[in-house]
This record gives sequence, structure tokens and C-alpha cells, in this order.
Amino acid sequence: GAVVSQHPSRVICKSGTSVKIECRSLDFQATTMFWYRQFPKQSLMLMATSNEGSKATYEQGVEKDKFLINHASLTLSTLTVTSAHPEDSSFYICSAGKRRVKGNTIYFGEGSWLTVV
Amino acid sequence: GQQLNQSPQSMFIQEGEDVSMNCTSSSIFNTWLWYKQDPGEGPVLLIALYKAGELTSNGRLTAQFGITRKDSFLNISASIPSDVGIYFCAGQGQGAQKLVFGQGTRLTINP
Repeated sequence: GAVVSQHPSRVICKSGTSVKIECRSLDFQATTMFWYRQFPKQSLMLMATSNEGSKATYEQGVEKDKFLINHASLTLSTLTVTSAHPEDSSFYICSAGKRRVKGNTIYFGEGSWLTVV
Repeated sequence: GQQLNQSPQSMFIQEGEDVSMNCTSSSIFNTWLWYKQDPGEGPVLLIALYKAGELTSNGRLTAQFGITRKDSFLNISASIPSDVGIYFCAGQGQGAQKLVFGQGTRLTINP
């Protein structure tokens, strides 16, 4: 079954509004989660690292005031796209690492399609 | 940012054929992961490799962590239609959870 869950799976919002996407680790605690953006036919592009109880670390070129990340608990990180514009329309995916005996394994959420109209 | 070299970029095969894809890196990784992504969905973990030289199977899938720790391959035997999708390799450095991805291999199967 799913290890990491995202919600909503699809969302349509009007230009200028904000939209929040949730990422939950279902049966483990994740002090760190990751947010990605994926364009059609391309690989995943890391946007930011979400750190529980502290500020997120953003990748170069990603606007932190545009993409607000909150990691208030060990099982939940949220990504809020503020003042959304059509160019923000994309597939957003989160991931979290689950510690196993052999090592840390990264699992991904189902992804969230954002369409800004 | 850093990216792994994954090849081939695309494959067109007949059902029943075996498939092989690989990833190489200029950097050493401590973990190699292989994922499959179907259209409109998040990547699903296929195989995780934690030790250089490790060979692991998951059903018809087999993957190996290269001895140099700079490469990995994934083989799929006797392909079936549901194997269609995009396969990504990912490397993880020591102590880091951040993944470095390959460009993906798009697999198409002709029935």
C-alpha cells in the first residue's frame, strides 16, 4: 500500500489565488520531506527540502515566497503555491525517506496536478 | 543540478523481450534506487540497492549496484504490456536523503 500520500490529486484554481498541497508519511515519521515539480516528458526537478520544525531549504531558482513550505509535524508537510499563475500549472510530487535495516529508502507520493486558469 | 546519465532514453520492444537499462555517474553513491512512473502518477519504488556489488531481484526485475559505486543497471525479463512506463534511476549520497535522478527511460511495448 501507499507509504507516502498526497492530497489533493488534482486541483484547479483561479489565477491570483493560493492553493495548498499536503504530503503525509503514512506509517513512519519523516523529519525531512522533499518537494518536486515535473514538466511533461521530463525528470523530477527538486524544488525544496522540507525540514520538520525549521525552515525549508530551497533549490536555486525556486522562489521561497512563491512556494511556501511548512513541515509542522513529523508526518505532514505542505506546499502552498501563492498568487498562482498559469505558468505554475504542473505536476507536483513529494517524497519522504523511510529508515530500513539496510538504509534509507525514499518513497514518493501519488503526485498532485495543479491547473491554474 | 547534478544528474545521472541514464540510457537508453527510450526503448521500443516486442512483448516477451528482455529489457536492460543503466545509469552512470561521475560521483560515488551509497544507495541506488530504481523507480517506475506511470502517466499522471508519482514514481513507484521497484528496487533499492544499498551495497556495492549487490544484485537484487523483484519478480521479473533485477538490478545491480556497480562495484565502483558509480553505476547501476536494471533488467526486466519477459516484458509484458504493464511494464510500459518511464523508469528512473536515482542515486543517494552518504548521509544525504536528497536524490539525484537519471533522465528516465521510456519503455514502449508492442503487443
